[in-house]
Amino acid sequence: NAGVTQTPKFRVLKTGQSMTLLCAQDMNHEYMYWYRQDPGMGLRLIHYSVGEGTTAKGEVPDGYNVSRLKKQNFLLGLESAAPSQTSVYFCASKAAGGNQPQHFGDGTRLSIL
Amino acid sequence: QQQVKQSPQSLIVQKGGIPIINCAYENTAFDYFPWYQQFPGKGPALLIAIRPDVSEKKEGRFTISFNKSAKQFSLHIMDSQPGDSATYFCAARGSSNTGKLIFGQGTTLQVKP
Repeated sequence: NAGVTQTPKFRVLKTGQSMTLLCAQDMNHEYMYWYRQDPGMGLRLIHYSVGEGTTAKGEVPDGYNVSRLKKQNFLLGLESAAPSQTSVYFCASKAAGGNQPQHFGDGTRLSIL
Repeated sequence: QQQVKQSPQSLIVQKGGIPIINCAYENTAFDYFPWYQQFPGKGPALLIAIRPDVSEKKEGRFTISFNKSAKQFSLHIMDSQPGDSATYFCAARGSSNTGKLIFGQGTTLQVKP
């Protein structure tokens, strides 16, 4: 049981390049989330999904897009990377209902030059 | 705008000490308050959580104290150990329908042997 798996773990991009971060969960969770973590800022929600085929904006969605075509996968895309998007990105998943916890992956460290 | 304010940003204690991390929130609609623990290179993991109708919750050496009227809550770590050295995040949930969490800025705790 792998839980939440994020790929890649590290990536360096040049300004203007595009890329997709993949999040996969094997817990059959309904809800999935993408966060970015920056020093002194905590974790800020980028986008989230409450089910297959649905997505919604979080606190800091600009410059990112997401897709959830399959229940187990949640993709985060950067169409034209900017240095301000240098961050550590975390994906989380959560079972629906009650006070179920969010389960996090181990993050993707992304540097934009 | 940060809706959950966490302090201090960093904390150093000796083994056996009782570090205290404080959080304050503004939105009275928040209905669930978890604490997450994060080790370097890993994603956050749920440590302990409390509902606003409870004033205190203990799990092992970890205790949450909750003051609804002051809109504040805090994490106490009893008999702290070097293995407790990590970053701690408080959070607040705004909607049980989406499970979205608003995180505090984080506190880096170092417990010296």
